[in-house]
Amino acid sequence: KAGVTQTPRYLIKTRGQQVTLSCSPISGHRSVSWYQQTPGQGLQFLFEYFSETQRNKGNFPGRFSGRQFSNSRSEMNVSTLELGDSALYLCASSPGLRGAPDTQYFGPGTRLTVL
Amino acid sequence: AQSVTQLDSQVPVFEEAPVELRCNYSSSVSVYLFWYVQYPNQGLQLLLKYLSGSTLVKGINGFEAEFNKSQTSFHLRKPSVHISDTAEYFCAVSDVYAGGTSYGKLTFGQGTILTVHP
Repeated sequence: KAGVTQTPRYLIKTRGQQVTLSCSPISGHRSVSWYQQTPGQGLQFLFEYFSETQRNKGNFPGRFSGRQFSNSRSEMNVSTLELGDSALYLCASSPGLRGAPDTQYFGPGTRLTVL
Repeated sequence: AQSVTQLDSQVPVFEEAPVELRCNYSSSVSVYLFWYVQYPNQGLQLLLKYLSGSTLVKGINGFEAEFNKSQTSFHLRKPSVHISDTAEYFCAVSDVYAGGTSYGKLTFGQGTILTVHP
């Protein structure tokens, strides 16, 4: 099976702009989670989508949003970019089977630089 | 999980020596436990996981970890490291709710950079 893919791999934006990142999960996986990785804060959970519904959310401002499509592909959007949003954004997918433990498999990430 | 603590931010070791990377967590509910490895400019690769059953779990590349519930620890070990093991290692925990669901959230430690010297 193909792994989790993320596009684009690198992105440069300026403050105030908005950005959309894309994630394609492993075939058959219905849960997609997003994480932000920075040197200062480490890996932090943004949100999780399952069957097109947000099931869980981390402690991030409303500028960070996401959605999931019927084919389980997911996008996350960051509006009004700030310098502090510069980070590696990681997407992870898991089967999301009801009542079964989940293991998350990660994509290579999108490196966002805000100037 | 309330928090995950990786007790060492950096661990230098010589090739073929044993290594232990330490991880402690706190949580008010049952947990699943994971170790991931990250090579430069890459995503996270799953090394091993504890979901239930035997507290000693074996993973890829010769790594193993032991779940100790009383000490809330999940230390990672390898009896003999190679240069290629140089990377950053992350301990992660997911809370388990009714029905065994985790709702897609992993709580990570701050990472341990393992550097293997020749």
